[in-house]
Amino acid sequence: QVQLVESGGGVVQPGRSLRLSCAASGFSFRSYALHWVRQAPGKGLEWVAVISYDGSRINYADSVKGRFTISRDKSKNTLYLQMDSLRTEDTAVYYCARDSRTDAYNFDYFDFWGQGTLVTVSS
Amino acid sequence: DIVLTQSPGTLSLSPGERATLSCRASQSVSSSLAWYQQKPGQAPRLLIYDASSRATGIPDRFSGGGSGSDFTLTISSLEPEDFAVFYCQQYGRSPLTFGPGTKVDLK
Repeated sequence: QVQLVESGGGVVQPGRSLRLSCAASGFSFRSYALHWVRQAPGKGLEWVAVISYDGSRINYADSVKGRFTISRDKSKNTLYLQMDSLRTEDTAVYYCARDSRTDAYNFDYFDFWGQGTLVTVSS
Repeated sequence: DIVLTQSPGTLSLSPGERATLSCRASQSVSSSLAWYQQKPGQAPRLLIYDASSRATGIPDRFSGGGSGSDFTLTISSLEPEDFAVFYCQQYGRSPLTFGPGTKVDLK
């Protein structure tokens, strides 16, 4: 079965960095685009970033552009989110989610989600 | 960016009642709309995609409708496990955006 397991969250001071990981299993990792979606405490869902199935297309939300970097390692079936220059408003649960399409550069809905990892940015 | 507006913010109903949730887009997204259910402490779960197609394993009491800018999610008869927050999401245009959610709680 499809599994997405996030890790790497924790408490970090403003201005510092953190790297999240998402280990994928149960499907053909190299065939699907993958996203990061976040949810601030008590708030709604916010799409953060996407990387295409082959890593050639990457998009970011304006709120994180220039500070976050999404990447993937097909040899490890793992998705990453490098978060630099963190701000208090980046505090959220970060989910990785699989895009519904295979082998495509257009991004759709999210058919599987991980359980999330909490990032708290606080001094 | 396409803004999604969901109404009502909260819907207070009893088991067995019908729930009708609305999602309106600031511009047309054709049928590129999905619905998710989220329970406290859990990840969202896909319910509906392409405005009206049920995801795998979703009971047929859940149905979606609409196209263009106006969409609805209907739960024909609420079961105890259905009480949750529901989000719509559009994928008609980048960036992908979500609505603010509708909470369905116990009356």
